[in-house]
Amino acid sequence: SQQGEEDPQALSIQEGENATMNCSYKTSINNLQWYRQNSGRGLVHLILIRSNEREKHSGRLRVTLDTSKKSSSLLITASRAADTASYFCATDERSGGSNYKLTFGKGTLLTVNP
Amino acid sequence: NAGVTQTPKFQVLKTGQSMTLQCAQDMNHEYMSWYRQDPGMGLRLIHYSVGAGITDQGEVPNGYNVSRSTTEDFPLRLLSAAPSQTSVYFCASKPVAFRSNQPQHFGDGTRLSIL
Repeated sequence: SQQGEEDPQALSIQEGENATMNCSYKTSINNLQWYRQNSGRGLVHLILIRSNEREKHSGRLRVTLDTSKKSSSLLITASRAADTASYFCATDERSGGSNYKLTFGKGTLLTVNP
Repeated sequence: NAGVTQTPKFQVLKTGQSMTLQCAQDMNHEYMSWYRQDPGMGLRLIHYSVGAGITDQGEVPNGYNVSRSTTEDFPLRLLSAAPSQTSVYFCASKPVAFRSNQPQHFGDGTRLSIL
């Protein structure tokens, strides 16, 4: 079953604009992670935000987490054509004893037009 | 370091054939996992391992077997391939099994088609 659900499913913007993607989830989590996937490649980890954090920055990326609304957003500022990719949120939650399970959403396809 | 290496990159099988997808990591990670990625479905966990000799089922384990004889390798076996197993398969690892707040490292995937 899907835990994280990204919104929108697809987003097309012009180079230099900002891109915002949202993620909603259903259960309590330890952290939420964002990954990028370029066409035909594996997923690459972008940023991790812990459940007790509200905002985190990494270069042109800004992630927010609202645990009361069970939602997160990923903002990419000053987008570039190279940012064209699919973006996935993944929630890390305790799963049976001391194990943790990472559950992925369906992703947002971002297209940045030159 | 090569990270997580998956072979082969592409494979076409006939229904009923068997094959093994290979995954190796050179980062001495405890935890390894297999996902499948289907259009509109995101990534779904097939099997995972928290260390050599220990494996467990994920969300969609039917039709797949795994083993973990070494820390480095985590092969995924399809015993009798079915068209429903046509997918892109990703192997991933993270340093410590029973700890949160760690990103996973992914291979580039194996694109598998079952005819």
